[in-house]
Amino acid sequence: EAGVTQSPTHLIKTRGQQATLRCSPISGHTSVYWYQQALGLGLQFLLWYDEGEERNRGNFPPRFSGRQFPNYSSELNVNALELEDSALYLCASSERGYGYTFGSGTRLTVV
Amino acid sequence: DQQVKQNSPSLSVQEGRISILNCDYTNSMFDYFLWYKKYPAEGPTFLISISSIKDKNEDGRFTVFLNKSAKHLSLHIVPSQPGDSAVYFCAASGTASKLTFGTGTRLQVTL
Repeated sequence: EAGVTQSPTHLIKTRGQQATLRCSPISGHTSVYWYQQALGLGLQFLLWYDEGEERNRGNFPPRFSGRQFPNYSSELNVNALELEDSALYLCASSERGYGYTFGSGTRLTVV
Repeated sequence: DQQVKQNSPSLSVQEGRISILNCDYTNSMFDYFLWYKKYPAEGPTFLISISSIKDKNEDGRFTVFLNKSAKHLSLHIVPSQPGDSAVYFCAASGTASKLTFGTGTRLQVTL
């Protein structure tokens, strides 16, 4: 069984640009979660999608947004990138809120 | 408001000894608790979980204890091995809700 896949593995963007990160959940999982891990910090909850709808979002500005597609894959978009957005972005999927499995993450570097 | 707290940022234990990692939570609605292990630049890997209806769950060298009245859980690793060196995150969730993570404890197992 394929795990949670994230792409790209690494992404380098210039301040002010937009970044798009992608996540494919485990087959059968309808929920996708996005987390940010900035250097030296813990995992901060960003967004939760389930059945195509945003169910909850963390304490992040509106320039962090996303969506979930009918096949349950998800995109995270970060607009107007700032240097402090540099972090490891992790996606996880679950079935009905249990059995979370994480992907390997996308390392976003803003220069 | 940090609802899940890991007050020890780091822990050093000798190989073969017991490692005890602690976690406190404040939200009484949490009913499911998990421990994840994380290596740098990788996604967290699930270790062990416990439901609020239990006070102990064991899986090989890993045991998680839950004290609901104290809103405290701990992860015991016996015996500790050098390969256990990683950052350990505890996480909690309510029914079908997002995972809230602690800030992590870096475990170093020395020879």
